Amino acid sequence: KAGVTQTPRYLIKTRGQQVTLSCSPISGHRSVSWYQQTPGQGLQFLFEYFSETQRNKGNFPGRFSGRQFSNSRSEMNVSTLELGDSALYLCASRQVTNTEAFFGQGTRLTVV
Amino acid sequence: AQTVTQSQPEMSVQEAETVTLSCTYDTSESDYYLFWYKQPPSRQMILVIRQEAYKQQNATENRFSVNFQKAAKSFSLKISDSQLGDAAMYFCAYRRPTGGGADGLTFGKGTHLIIQP
Repeated sequence: KAGVTQTPRYLIKTRGQQVTLSCSPISGHRSVSWYQQTPGQGLQFLFEYFSETQRNKGNFPGRFSGRQFSNSRSEMNVSTLELGDSALYLCASRQVTNTEAFFGQGTRLTVV
Repeated sequence: AQTVTQSQPEMSVQEAETVTLSCTYDTSESDYYLFWYKQPPSRQMILVIRQEAYKQQNATENRFSVNFQKAAKSFSLKISDSQLGDAAMYFCAYRRPTGGGADGLTFGKGTHLIIQP
């Protein structure tokens, strides 16, 4: 079974631009969650989607948004990028609720 | 809000020896899940072990075992017979049951484990 796939792996954007990151979960997994990892703040929960509905959201500004498609693939979007948005963005999928999450390799976003 | 604390930013151990990584957490919930994840230099987060709070028996996965003390809200990871491939950042994580309005995983700041050959 293929693991969680995140694309692209690396991205460089300019301040003020927007960016879209993609995550394909493990086949059969319907829950997808996103995390931001920075040296200063560590790993922080962004949001979780299940069956195309956002279930939970972390404490991030509205510039961070996401969606999930009928095939469970998910995208997250960050608008009006700021230097502080530079981070590793990790996606994780779960088969059903209350089980462990499996992570992708992440997308390294650099905002210049 | 739940918090997870890893008090050891860095640990070093000789190859083949045993090391214990500490984790404490704060929650008012009685039912929850605890995890240890490993993040090697490749940045891929790999699940090491999980523990359900309602289970009194400590989880074990090969050379990895936990000491779960629910009353003390402590969840330490023991790695036996340390191997060079165990070198990584280790994160302790907490999650409430989804039915209770889970907020995703709450992670500690991590412990950098160094294996000395």
